[in-house]
Amino acid sequence: KAGVTQTPRYLIKTRGQQVTLSCSPISGHRSVSWYQQTPGQGLQFLFEYFSETQRNKGNFPGRFSGRQFSNSRSEMNVSTLELGDSALYLCASSLAAGGVYEQYFGPGTRLTVT
Amino acid sequence: SQQGEEDPQALSIQEGENATMNCSYKTSINNLQWYRQNSGRGLVHLILIRSNEREKHSGRLRVTLDTSKKSSSLLITASRAADTASYFCATARAKLVFGKGTKLTVNP
Repeated sequence: KAGVTQTPRYLIKTRGQQVTLSCSPISGHRSVSWYQQTPGQGLQFLFEYFSETQRNKGNFPGRFSGRQFSNSRSEMNVSTLELGDSALYLCASSLAAGGVYEQYFGPGTRLTVT
Repeated sequence: SQQGEEDPQALSIQEGENATMNCSYKTSINNLQWYRQNSGRGLVHLILIRSNEREKHSGRLRVTLDTSKKSSSLLITASRAADTASYFCATARAKLVFGKGTKLTVNP
């Protein structure tokens, strides 16, 4: 099976802009989770989608949003970018939501905000 | 806030030695998972241990879970240079919450 893919892999944006990141899960996986990883805060949970519904949300401002499509592909959007949003954004897919099963991670999108 | 806390934060050993990493957490969990991350890349799942299990093995990896002490340990036996990576524990209870990780360096 093909692994989790994320596009783009690298992105440079300017403060105030918005960005959309995409994630294609492993075939058959209906759960997609998003994480932000920074040196200071580590891996922080953003949100999880299962069957097009947001199942859980982390402690991030409303500028961070996501959605999941009927084919389980997911996108996350960050509006009004801030310097502190520079991070590695990881998505992970799983058979079920809530951490019941192992998660399979994509390679990540490295976002740099200048 | 982070649920799992790994200890030590960094560990440097020689090839062939064993590496032990510990994880402590605060609330009840459904399962605990260990992941590995090579520099700046995606995470790779290593082992999942459920709350009613005490020990699990996978190749050179051995994971223990003590729910009474709210702690887990990951043992890598006969380490290799290729094991150099960051190791994270993640606790599952409605969602997966990661600790800050242990950076393992295995010197040839």
